[in-house]
Amino acid sequence: AQSVTQLGSHVSVSEGALVLLRCNYSSSVPPYLFWYVQYPNQGLQLLLKYTSAATLVKGINGFEAEFKKSETSFHLTKPSAHMSDAAEYFCAVSDRGTSYGKLTFGQGTILTVHP
Amino acid sequence: DGGITQSPKYLFRKEGQNVTLSCEQNLNHDAMYWYRQDPGQGLRLIYYSQIVNDFQKGDIAEGYSVSREKKESFPLTVTSAQKNPTAFYLCASSPSTGKANYEQYFGPGTRLTVT
Repeated sequence: AQSVTQLGSHVSVSEGALVLLRCNYSSSVPPYLFWYVQYPNQGLQLLLKYTSAATLVKGINGFEAEFKKSETSFHLTKPSAHMSDAAEYFCAVSDRGTSYGKLTFGQGTILTVHP
Repeated sequence: DGGITQSPKYLFRKEGQNVTLSCEQNLNHDAMYWYRQDPGQGLRLIYYSQIVNDFQKGDIAEGYSVSREKKESFPLTVTSAQKNPTAFYLCASSPSTGKANYEQYFGPGTRLTVT
């Protein structure tokens, strides 16, 4: 079964510093990949997705992610953190063979941004 | 303004009672999903529906039931058989059941507390 691993349940950065949130998937066939953000007591909002076009995907709020097949990774980055980026981030995958787009989620990474 | 609504935002119940969580979408999406979120465990799929009057069990369906009588509505009932019902419940929808690369759109969630 497909699995997703997010390295680091908590990441802390200073305002203005680089944000790097790690995501690795297990499938030998590259899946579709998504990053979502969740603010406290709210639903999830899509940041970006990879569906086999460009390997560097740009999303909302200045985030981007790079698909690396050789590393089975889809890490999320932002050059300069803002206080408003503090939230929980989820990586998710969807197998290409499924007909209904089932998403398998990672455990989540809580991002804290210090002034 | 299109989106997904979930009500209520907070729900409190006594142990042994069934409770129904509402999910409505006006996005004209075919597929709808219910997830359960617990701290540090990501999101886990409870049930999904690809079309009206049809639904399938997800990974953790025991103790839950659903119905899909209308395209826009997908209520979830948490029954007394669910051993640990206290959690944050998220409803989602996606445009097409035939495309695994479509992202899911999430509602704001319902936090259920059972004592």
